[in-house]
Amino acid sequence: KNEVEQSPQNLTAQEGEFITINCSYSVGISALHWLQQHPGGGIVSLFMLSSGKKKHGRLIATINIQEKHSSLHITASHPRDSAVYICAVRGQGAQKLVFGQGTRLTINP
Amino acid sequence: DSGVTQTPKHLITATGQRVTLRCSPRSGDLSVYWYQQSLDQGLQFLIQYYNGEERAKGNILERFSAQQFPDLHSELNLSSLELGDSALYFCASSPGPDRGKLFFGSGTQLSVL
Repeated sequence: KNEVEQSPQNLTAQEGEFITINCSYSVGISALHWLQQHPGGGIVSLFMLSSGKKKHGRLIATINIQEKHSSLHITASHPRDSAVYICAVRGQGAQKLVFGQGTRLTINP
Repeated sequence: DSGVTQTPKHLITATGQRVTLRCSPRSGDLSVYWYQQSLDQGLQFLIQYYNGEERAKGNILERFSAQQFPDLHSELNLSSLELGDSALYFCASSPGPDRGKLFFGSGTQLSVL
């Protein structure tokens, strides 16, 4: 079992739908990152969080430390949101990030 | 634009060869991280430097080495290349040693033929 598990692996939705991507991890963490990778390959850091909830535009990230679970939500999804979304965690006392396998999101117009 | 510059964008070479990938971090960032992304393994952490010193090591092969120079740019050296080394190599930077948002470069696509 991987330290970081994402679900679903693939998600296809229609423009305007509310999207949820889930990330579960098995170790105590100091921080969790949500990353976005577009088809061209570039990676953008969306959020870094260690507790609670963060919002940026149509994106919302939440984390439940007790349940070792985080969710990334996209409201009013748009085709330009089509990308791979990657969850990564930094273990307590660790320097390195451990990555989930990614969720491929496709938003159709 | 993340402010992190990676060169070259693409590199095609043959097995057994040696290549050097270069990364310039965002202005003011002292930490540089190297990651490898392959189709079968996903993203994997290779190594981190902070202010010129090695800070953390991940799944980096002995054939690979890296360093961070006084001007804070970093180089990743890959030698005795094998077909399986073909991957996208990312550099990222952050202000501090162990925390903070990461800023990624656009990556170097390495193809070993």
